[in-house]
Amino acid sequence: KQEVTQIPAALSVPEGENLVLNCSFTDSAIYNLQWFRQDPGKGLTSLLLIQSSQREQTSGRLNASLDKSSGRSTLYIAASQPGDSATYLCAVREYGGATNKLIFGTGTLLAVQP
Amino acid sequence: ETGVTQTPRHLVMGMTNKKSLKCEQHLGHNAMYWYKQSAKKPLELMFVYSLEERVENNSVPSRFSPECPNSSHLFLHLHTLQPEDSALYLCASSLRTGGLYEQYFGPGTRLTVT
Repeated sequence: KQEVTQIPAALSVPEGENLVLNCSFTDSAIYNLQWFRQDPGKGLTSLLLIQSSQREQTSGRLNASLDKSSGRSTLYIAASQPGDSATYLCAVREYGGATNKLIFGTGTLLAVQP
Repeated sequence: ETGVTQTPRHLVMGMTNKKSLKCEQHLGHNAMYWYKQSAKKPLELMFVYSLEERVENNSVPSRFSPECPNSSHLFLHLHTLQPEDSALYLCASSLRTGGLYEQYFGPGTRLTVT
């Protein structure tokens, strides 16, 4: 059974710092991996999606990497800003089945201090 | 704004009440999903509908009853709930089911069962 773990559970950094969020998964047979952002009281916003054949994806100050063989992904945030404060969720898309389910981690709560 | 709306945003109900959660998507998608997000636990997929047919039910108790009258609307009917059912219920939609199709999430309904 696929399990997704995110470390750390919470992180507080001063504004301007570069940071890395970690995600690990137990079954390397995945379709793709996705990073989401969740603000309090709001739904999920997709940040980056990495296909299983890709090694990384970039969007602005965000860079996500994928090492499928070791079951790991990282989300790198450059020059963090207070507006980056949110919960960051990692999810893997299972391979196979009718719906290719998304399996989520418990998230990393990020606080960027001004 | 993601194009997926949910009502109500907050709901408090007693264990003997019957209530319904509503989700509407304005994206022209054919697949819709219900997820449950409990404190300190990962998002859990509850139900998947494709073209108004239920294609996945992840061993959800019968006190949760989904309904998909058309591809734009999804309901979750609740009855005889337990306090442990208190959670954030998120709706999502995608063009179709399957790993190629990104899911778009609504803001969620925060449910408290007293």
